[in-house]
Amino acid sequence: GENVEQHPSTLSVQEGDSAVIKCTYSDSASNYFPWYKQELGKGPQLIIDIRSNVGEKKDQRIAVTLNKTAKHFSLHITETQPEDSAVYFCAANGETSYDKVIFGPGTSLSVIP
Amino acid sequence: ETGVTQTPRHLVMGMTNKKSLKCEQHLGHNAMYWYKQSAKKPLELMFVYNFKEQTENNSVPSRFSPECPNSSHLFLHLHTLQPEDSALYLCASSQDRDYGYTFGSGTRLTVV
Repeated sequence: GENVEQHPSTLSVQEGDSAVIKCTYSDSASNYFPWYKQELGKGPQLIIDIRSNVGEKKDQRIAVTLNKTAKHFSLHITETQPEDSAVYFCAANGETSYDKVIFGPGTSLSVIP
Repeated sequence: ETGVTQTPRHLVMGMTNKKSLKCEQHLGHNAMYWYKQSAKKPLELMFVYNFKEQTENNSVPSRFSPECPNSSHLFLHLHTLQPEDSALYLCASSQDRDYGYTFGSGTRLTVV
């Protein structure tokens, strides 16, 4: 089945700097890669997703890149702000598990004012 | 509010109790999910319902029993739980298999 790894597990950056979180997946049939942000006391919230037919997608300060050959994808947050502090999860679906996505273990991001 | 509402927000129950968690969505989504989130563990899928039909049971112990009476409501019935079942239980819904999930805020369950 699909396995998703995520690094780093914790990340601290100064406000205004960029943050990068990297994920790898194992199922070469995966074609959908969402990213979620979970703030304290809340459920995860979808912030951006990418499908296998594109290599990059941007939404304001957030971008995601996908390298299907290497089976890895990354989240880039530019000009970080304190409100970006949260736990971020990457995820991937798989041909054999098309009814679900598999989540990475999460990255705790702290943006220091 | 995300459009997915979970009740109760917090629940403390003894190992011999029976309780139920409720999830409701009015987003018109056709798939609903139960996830378990424990400290220092990845989100674990428990159950998947697609058009009210259970399509996935991820080897969950029988002390957890799901119910999906219609495409807008999902329940998780709990009985004779163990302390290690203490966790945040998250409900989610999606339009289809390969679309993003909308999560509720979860039920924080403590088994004593």
